Amino acid sequence: NAGVTQTPKFQVLKTGQSMTLQCAQDMNHNSMYWYRQDPGMGLRLIYYSASEGTTDKGEVPNGYNVSRLNKREFSLRLESAAPSQTSVYFCASSELGQGVGEQFFGPGTRLTVL
Amino acid sequence: GENVEQHPSTLSVQEGDSAVIKCTYSDSASNYFPWYKQELGKGPQLIIDIRSNVGEKKDQRIAVTLNKTAKHFSLHITETQPEDSAVYFCAASVRGSTLGRLYFGRGTQLTVWP
Repeated sequence: NAGVTQTPKFQVLKTGQSMTLQCAQDMNHNSMYWYRQDPGMGLRLIYYSASEGTTDKGEVPNGYNVSRLNKREFSLRLESAAPSQTSVYFCASSELGQGVGEQFFGPGTRLTVL
Repeated sequence: GENVEQHPSTLSVQEGDSAVIKCTYSDSASNYFPWYKQELGKGPQLIIDIRSNVGEKKDQRIAVTLNKTAKHFSLHITETQPEDSAVYFCAASVRGSTLGRLYFGRGTQLTVWP
């Protein structure tokens, strides 16, 4: 099992460009999450999906959109990238509902917006 | 919403010494407290968790204590080794609630010197 995979690993964008971060899990988990990690700020929840077909906003959703394509895949889209979105993005999945069980994290995508 | 405070932000210890990281939370409804370890360039990984009906839990050199009255919980690492060097995150959540979310502290950079 690969666990949680994310693509790409690194990305550099110019202000105003758009991109989609891809995430997939092979553990048959219902719940999936997108976090951003900034120095000294810990992990902040952007969006989550408790089950296939549902998505909800987290703490910092502005500037992002998500799609739960199927049970395995959960993508994060930046429509018009801004320098404030420079960060490391982590996708995670869990067996049970948000906050109830262990969350398994992917290796992260390091995004720089110039 | 829940607010999790974590201290210290950095911690340096000599190999073989003990390390203690402390967290406080604000929502008395929180009842699930996981700890994650993040090695350089990787995603966080669960190392231990505790539910509110338990005051202490141990797993080899790692232990977590919980004081519900004071709303604080701590991670204790004994006989530290260089491979314990990482960023550690505490988190709090309301287990069993589909609307609950995992709130993370800001992290502690632990360095173990040989």
